[in-house]
Amino acid sequence: EDQVTQSPEALRLQEGESSSLNCSYTVSGLRGLFWYRQDPGKGPEFLFTLYSAGEEKEKERLKATLTKKESFLHITAPKPEDSATYLCAAVETGANNLFFGTGTRLTVIP
Amino acid sequence: DGGITQSPKYLFRKEGQNVTLSCEQNLNHDAMYWYRQDPGQGLRLIYYSQIVNDFQKGDIAEGYSVSREKKESFPLTVTSAQKNPTAFYLCASSTPRGRDNYGYTFGSGTRLTVV
Repeated sequence: EDQVTQSPEALRLQEGESSSLNCSYTVSGLRGLFWYRQDPGKGPEFLFTLYSAGEEKEKERLKATLTKKESFLHITAPKPEDSATYLCAAVETGANNLFFGTGTRLTVIP
Repeated sequence: DGGITQSPKYLFRKEGQNVTLSCEQNLNHDAMYWYRQDPGQGLRLIYYSQIVNDFQKGDIAEGYSVSREKKESFPLTVTSAQKNPTAFYLCASSTPRGRDNYGYTFGSGTRLTVV
């Protein structure tokens, strides 16, 4: 069964304390792996798409990486405005529908 | 600016009522989706449509109905048959098949509460 699992469920960091969020996936042939940011009461905001193992993408303090079984979202020197829930989703080859993980709720303390 | 508009932002439903959530996009996307989000459960797919006048059930379609009469619009009706409708509902659209620029764009959501 296709599945996306994110860990940890929640993460509290001091401002400037770097860390990583994990997303492990089991899909029948990966078409794409997506990261989204979601603020409370709002829709998810697109961050990255990764297509193949070894691929990396960066945006400001965020860097996403992909292996054959998992993806990491690395946060370098986070700021309080990075506090949000980060969602990971995967889509299998030949499909359009995303399977979402339950998210990691990140809190960055000043 | 192009995007997806969901309305209303908040909706209250009485027991036994049907309610309709609106979703409009001006991105010229072919595919549209409805998700339900509950705390601790992530996003679950209700219905999706890849082309006008065609739609398919997702994982939790019972108690919901949709229509796709126009490319821009994909309304969701929550019927009285849905026993636990209180949730945050998200509409999304996606670009046509193909590797480049593939991804979902989400609306800002509708929070439905049963009163």
